[in-house]
Amino acid sequence: EVQLVESGGGLVQPGGSLRLSCAASGFTFSSYSMNWVRQAPGKGLEWVSYISSSSSTIYYADSVKGRFTISRDNAKNSLYLQMNSLRAEDTAVYYCARAAGDIYSYFDYWGQGTLVTVSS
Amino acid sequence: DIQMTQSPSSLSASVGDRVTITCRASQSISSYLNWYQQKPGKAPKLLIYAASSLQSGVPSRFSGSGSGTDFTLTISSLQPEDFATYYCQQSYSTPPAFGQGTKLEIK
Repeated sequence: EVQLVESGGGLVQPGGSLRLSCAASGFTFSSYSMNWVRQAPGKGLEWVSYISSSSSTIYYADSVKGRFTISRDNAKNSLYLQMNSLRAEDTAVYYCARAAGDIYSYFDYWGQGTLVTVSS
Repeated sequence: DIQMTQSPSSLSASVGDRVTITCRASQSISSYLNWYQQKPGKAPKLLIYAASSLQSGVPSRFSGSGSGTDFTLTISSLQPEDFATYYCQQSYSTPPAFGQGTKLEIK
């Protein structure tokens, strides 16, 4: 069974940093591209970042470019999102989502999400 | 960037009804259109990919159609567990973009 479990969310002050993790199991993690998708409270879904299976290709949404860094450790079956210079508008539930293929693909499995709250 | 627009934003319907949700892309996306269902407090779940392919395990009452810029998600006979929010998503180009969502409520 495919499982994605996010962790690392919490309350952080504006300008602060946070590192999210996503632990994957039930599939060959190193063979799949991964994404982060977020959802602000009461709002819709917003794609944040993509990383290919080998980390050779990375994309970011304009809203986080230069502040967030996606990475992965295939030996540990883990995906990460380093978030710096956090703003109030980054407050959201952050989901990791497996891509069925490359960036031009759908998200076939999602984690349960981890809440990030940016507030003073 | 490609913009995705869903209609309606909300919809009231009864168990057994046939329901259609529409998604329009700001430019042609061929068949790179996917549909997700999200229930309150839960992660989104993939229903339909490539406009009309049913994800494994998804009931056959769900179907998708369309290509180019106009797409539809149809639920042939609403069940109580189908009341949720539905999102379309284009995977034709970066950034992948979602529609604003359609909240399906019980009448």
